[in-house]
Amino acid sequence: AQSVTQLDSHVSVSEGTPVLLRCNYSSSYSPSLFWYVQHPNKGLQLLLKYTSAATLVKGINGFEAEFKKSETSFHLTKPSAHMSDAAEYFCVVSDPKSGGSNYKLTFGKGTLLTVNP
Amino acid sequence: EPEVTQTPSHQVTQMGQEVILRCVPISNHLYFYWYRQILGQKVEFLVSFYNNEISEKSEIFDDQFSVERPDGSNFTLKIRSTKLEDSAMYFCAIKGAGPTDTQYFGPGTRLTVL
Repeated sequence: AQSVTQLDSHVSVSEGTPVLLRCNYSSSYSPSLFWYVQHPNKGLQLLLKYTSAATLVKGINGFEAEFKKSETSFHLTKPSAHMSDAAEYFCVVSDPKSGGSNYKLTFGKGTLLTVNP
Repeated sequence: EPEVTQTPSHQVTQMGQEVILRCVPISNHLYFYWYRQILGQKVEFLVSFYNNEISEKSEIFDDQFSVERPDGSNFTLKIRSTKLEDSAMYFCAIKGAGPTDTQYFGPGTRLTVL
């Protein structure tokens, strides 16, 4: 079974300061990991993904995440927050289904990022 | 990034009525999914669809729900007799054949059951 824990339901930062959104996962197989972002009243947009290649993954808008198998973590970071980064961020895990290929996504509960001027 | 459209963007219905939510992928993909997000809660998997049949469904996806690709392009989710607790945002997603291919989401349909 796969699961995701996002350790913070709400993170508040000042514009120009670093962002850290924490995520831990549980997976029986070799997972793919994703971060999706959801702006208010919008759909889900892919920020970045890890699929067993480089452990440090760069995404859009200056975000990056590091896969750490020993810590079962996939934290999302950005060196300098911008007002437009205010949104809900979801850490997501996907495993191939045992004996088949299904690739359903399991979402964390989300972290709401607030950026203060 | 593949484009996925969903119609309608917002549907209001009375409890017990049937609703059909539509998803139109602009490009060819092999895997189709429906997810839902109840207000204030996390996104939940409902069903996956591959090779014109359901490949997996969650406990939420009971007999009230069905999916189909009636014309090879549209991908629909039908709720036969809506309940108040079906009120949620429903997202369609598509994915290519590769095991590491990304799932791309549509903008969602907000379903409100009164």
